Amino acid sequence: ELKVEQNPLFLSMQEGKNYTIYCNYSTTSDRLYWYRQDPGKSLESLFVLLSNGAVKQEGRLMASLDTKARLSTLHITAAVHDLSATYFCAGISPGNEKLTFGTGTRLTIIP
Amino acid sequence: DAGVIQSPRHEVTEMGQEVTLRCKPISGHDYLFWYRQTMMRGLELLIYFNNNVPIDDSGMPEDRFSAKMPNASFSTLKIQPSEPRDSAVYFCASSFSGTLNEQYFGPGTRLTVT
Repeated sequence: ELKVEQNPLFLSMQEGKNYTIYCNYSTTSDRLYWYRQDPGKSLESLFVLLSNGAVKQEGRLMASLDTKARLSTLHITAAVHDLSATYFCAGISPGNEKLTFGTGTRLTIIP
Repeated sequence: DAGVIQSPRHEVTEMGQEVTLRCKPISGHDYLFWYRQTMMRGLELLIYFNNNVPIDDSGMPEDRFSAKMPNASFSTLKIQPSEPRDSAVYFCASSFSGTLNEQYFGPGTRLTVT
């Protein structure tokens, strides 16, 4: 059974700083997803990573995937307040379409 | 497209009552998922359908929960009888197998059982 762990669970960072959220998964995952959730809102898809070494970037967010280490990272560059949210990673076990979510990382950007 | 539509957005009911949550997926999507989110347990997949057929319901907590998808544009999640521990936000999501099955989530239904 696929298990997904994220760390840290909580992250407070100052505007302008860089930081990384880590996502480890326990068994082979066909794909790795990153989602964002604002308080009281739904989940918004950010990235889908397909293969080893995949890197995707959107604005100040960059996601990467290392399938050999079973690790994905979400890197935040020069954080701004608008990035405050909870970020989830999720994996899919081969042969089905069940998303297994990590616990989420609540990110707070402090002015 | 309007995205995934869920109704009601909020539901408050008394213990023992029947609750029905509704979902309209994005047109053309062939997968539909029901999730539950709580502080204690995070996001849990309850059940998912492919082409209206239930594929995996292993996440359905117990027999009080049932889900149907009578056609490609409508699904329901029913709880009968409801209990206070069912209080949560229930999300419906849909995806299309031809585009990496990226799941698009609805706005959610916040259920409170008193």
